[in-house]
Amino acid sequence: ELKVEQNPLFLSMQEGKNYTIYCNYSTTSDRLYWYRQDPGKSLESLFVLLSNGAVKQEGRLMASLDTKARLSTLHITAAVHDLSATYFCAVNQAGTALIFGKGTTLSVSS
Amino acid sequence: NAGVTQTPKFQVLKTGQSMTLQCAQDMNHEYMSWYRQDPGMGLRLIHYSVGAGITDQGEVPNGYNVSRSTTEDFPLRLLSAAPSQTSVYFCASRGAAGGSSYNEQFFGPGTRLTVL
Repeated sequence: ELKVEQNPLFLSMQEGKNYTIYCNYSTTSDRLYWYRQDPGKSLESLFVLLSNGAVKQEGRLMASLDTKARLSTLHITAAVHDLSATYFCAVNQAGTALIFGKGTTLSVSS
Repeated sequence: NAGVTQTPKFQVLKTGQSMTLQCAQDMNHEYMSWYRQDPGMGLRLIHYSVGAGITDQGEVPNGYNVSRSTTEDFPLRLLSAAPSQTSVYFCASRGAAGGSSYNEQFFGPGTRLTVL
């Protein structure tokens, strides 16, 4: 059974600082997803990582995937208040449905 | 394209009542899924479907039924609502393996359900 663990679950950051969110998963998978969710809203796709060593960047967010370690990271550079949200990683289970981590709630303050 | 649509947006039920949450997509996607979201629990998979006529259980299927008679629709039925089913429900869809839309999973806007 596929398990997906994120840490930390809560993250309070100061503007301008860097930080990393970690996503570990328990079994082999062919793709990993990162989503953002604002309060009361649906999920917004950030990145889809398809292969070992994949790295994708969008603005202040950069995601990477190490399939051998079963680990993905979401790195935040020079955080700004607009990045405050909950971030989820999700792993494809045998080509059928995504299994999600519990999410990381990020709060960025000045 | 409307994408993934869900109705209703909000619903209040009494314990023991039944209801159906509707989900439809107009992207001709093969894969569809239902999730529930509870505080601190992330999104948990309830049921999923890999095509019309094919459904399977996810992580938390008890108390829910699904069917997939068409590619477009994937309704979720609560047979006898319980307070533990108070949650936000999301429907999602994805294209078939090998297709251009396989990598992207699209989510509906969600249904907020309260069971009293």
